[in-house]
Amino acid sequence: DAKTTQPNSMESNEEEPVHLPCNHSTISGTDYIHWYRQLPSQGPEYVIHGLTSNVNNRMASLAIAEDRKSSTLILHRATLRDAAVYYCILPDSNYQLIWGAGTKLIIKP
Amino acid sequence: DTEVTQTPKHLVMGMTNKKSLKCEQHMGHRAMYWYKQKAKKPPELMFVYSYEKLSINESVPSRFSPECPNSSLLNLHLHALQPEDSALYLCASSQDRTQSGVQFFGPGTRLTVL
Repeated sequence: DAKTTQPNSMESNEEEPVHLPCNHSTISGTDYIHWYRQLPSQGPEYVIHGLTSNVNNRMASLAIAEDRKSSTLILHRATLRDAAVYYCILPDSNYQLIWGAGTKLIIKP
Repeated sequence: DTEVTQTPKHLVMGMTNKKSLKCEQHMGHRAMYWYKQKAKKPPELMFVYSYEKLSINESVPSRFSPECPNSSLLNLHLHALQPEDSALYLCASSQDRTQSGVQFFGPGTRLTVL
């Protein structure tokens, strides 16, 4: 079973920031937090990952709570092309990605 | 080259057919994966190969038979499938298998079993 919980869906306006939350209250000290997204009719795509510190890359930022029991994926300026299902994932003890249902992000023009 | 390619893009087969799905990566990755994804559901792991050896088989029926001929190629042989096996089959690869390992996915093969 997935070790994360996310809202089923979220809506945001184009060109505004989006904050996608994820709860992982059973996270252990060595668990990395991964985010992937899947655009319609495509394979999943890596977005970002982190362990303890906040992380930034060209796609997004990852804010990790101090107790690591939750994290937030931040898209700084959403475009229509960011409409996708976003998955927050903690690998299991075999390093496998265990996928939950994800959050469907809807971007309104 | 950061691409994982999969062929064919679409496949329609009967329950008595034998077919194969192919996956290729040239990133020097030593771990490769097969996932199955039903409509509006998340991907489900089927098989993991690490250094060309089968590491994980998630209790997948024997009508699915994986093969890793070399470090760049991964095949999934299909035989006597059922209509409920219709799904998107995704291949992925990663440098190796670690907590921080990033997986790169192909576009998938859309399989329909009649």
